Amino acid sequence: GDSVTQMEGPVTLSEEAFLTINCTYTATGYPSLFWYVQYPGEGLQLLLKATKADDKGSNKGFEATYRKETTSFHLEKGSVQVSDSAVYFCALTQANQAGTALIFGKGTTLSVSS
Amino acid sequence: GAVVSQHPSRVICKSGTSVKIECRSLDFQATTMFWYRQFPKKSLMLMATSNEGSKATYEQGVEKDKFLINHASLTLSTLTVTSAHPEDSSFYICSARDRDRGTEAFFGQGTRLTVV
Repeated sequence: GDSVTQMEGPVTLSEEAFLTINCTYTATGYPSLFWYVQYPGEGLQLLLKATKADDKGSNKGFEATYRKETTSFHLEKGSVQVSDSAVYFCALTQANQAGTALIFGKGTTLSVSS
Repeated sequence: GAVVSQHPSRVICKSGTSVKIECRSLDFQATTMFWYRQFPKKSLMLMATSNEGSKATYEQGVEKDKFLINHASLTLSTLTVTSAHPEDSSFYICSARDRDRGTEAFFGQGTRLTVV
């Protein structure tokens, strides 16, 4: 079945450092890909998404490009802030199937210090 | 974006009692809602898929008699943890997809259940 693999954390960075969180997937067809963020004690918020190959999702300085040839959707940010400290989840779902749940990676904890 | 409201955000109950968690889509109709359980090491486990007007579909290993799911309307799904035990303590999150908004899923704020 479909699955998502993301790098294990925690990732610890200093403020203004460059961030990469790797995510690869296994899926049939052409899934949609997502990054969600979870702040302590809260639910998940959509950070960005891409629905087809070569699409780049971006939001709040974060970017990820849908690479079908490498089945990857790595999250990047050029300069992290303390407020970016959170857990980041890579996820996929099969497009246009509203009855299908998202499949998540295990999450990567990011800790940014000033 | 679409809003999913989950209530309560925190609940403490005694062993053997039941707890109901509500998940509402506030500004869209959700024919399908999903219930997840989040374990201490962050991973989200899909528990069940809740379809309006029909029985929920449970994932393998999830006890349907213990985690009762009802989806009586297009905007409300409930998860009832019956005869709760300390090992049921966890963070439960609901999610819904709006068929008119593509593939994005919207999440509730989560419920922290502690069974003492």
